[in-house]
Amino acid sequence: GAGVSQSPRYKVAKRGQDVALRCDPISGHVSLFWYQQALGQGPEFLTYFQNEAQLDKSGLPSDRFFAERPEGSVSTLKIQRTQQEDSAVYLCASSSTSGDEQFFGPGTRLTVL
Amino acid sequence: GQNIDQPTEMTATEGAIVQINCTYQTSGFNGLFWYQQHAGEAPTFLSYNVLDGLEEKGRFSSFLSRSKGYSYLLLKELQMKDSASYLCAVLSGGYQKVTFGTGTKLQVIP
Repeated sequence: GAGVSQSPRYKVAKRGQDVALRCDPISGHVSLFWYQQALGQGPEFLTYFQNEAQLDKSGLPSDRFFAERPEGSVSTLKIQRTQQEDSAVYLCASSSTSGDEQFFGPGTRLTVL
Repeated sequence: GQNIDQPTEMTATEGAIVQINCTYQTSGFNGLFWYQQHAGEAPTFLSYNVLDGLEEKGRFSSFLSRSKGYSYLLLKELQMKDSASYLCAVLSGGYQKVTFGTGTKLQVIP
C-alpha cells in the first residue's frame, strides 16, 4: 500500500523484556517521527529522523528507548527492559519534508504486564 | 517550551455547527495543524494554517491568529461520523517540530 505501515499492530510483553517496533514510511518521505500516545492524550513526540540522521531524540523518556533508521527508510523503535509505564500506543509518522503534513501509521499498541 | 490548550470534551447535535478552540504559547512558531482521530485509529490530517485568517475546506474550516496564539476548527452540518478527537498541533523550531495538544473529544448526538 501507499501509506505508513507499522508492525506489530499489538504487542504484549512481560516486564523486563525487550521489544522492537517497526515503521515503514511512505516511499520517498524524508522525515520520520515517532510518538507515544497514552489513552485519552495527544501524541507525545519521541524522536525525529531526517533521512538516516536522528536530529532530535529529546522526547525519548529514558535510555531504555532507542530508535534507528539506518538506510533512511524503515525505522525501528527499541525499548529495553520494558516497564508497565511503557504501555501505550506508539505511532510513526512520515512527511515529505519536515514542515509538511504528517501521515500516520496505524500504531503499535504495547501492553507491558 | 510549548503549551497548547484545548477543551477536553465537547458535545454537539447532528446538523449543527461546533467550534473547537486551541490556544498556544510557543517560540519559533511556523504553523498549526488540525488532525482528526477516531477511537483506536491513527490521526488523519484536516488542515494546516500558516498565515492569519480562515481556511475553508468543505464542512471544515480552520482559523488562525498568530498575534493572539489562537486557532479554532469549525465543523458545519455535523454528522454522527464526526464523533472523534480533534488534535491541535503546533509546528515550530528550526527543523519544524510538531507538538500536539491533548485533543478535544467531540461527541455528536442525534
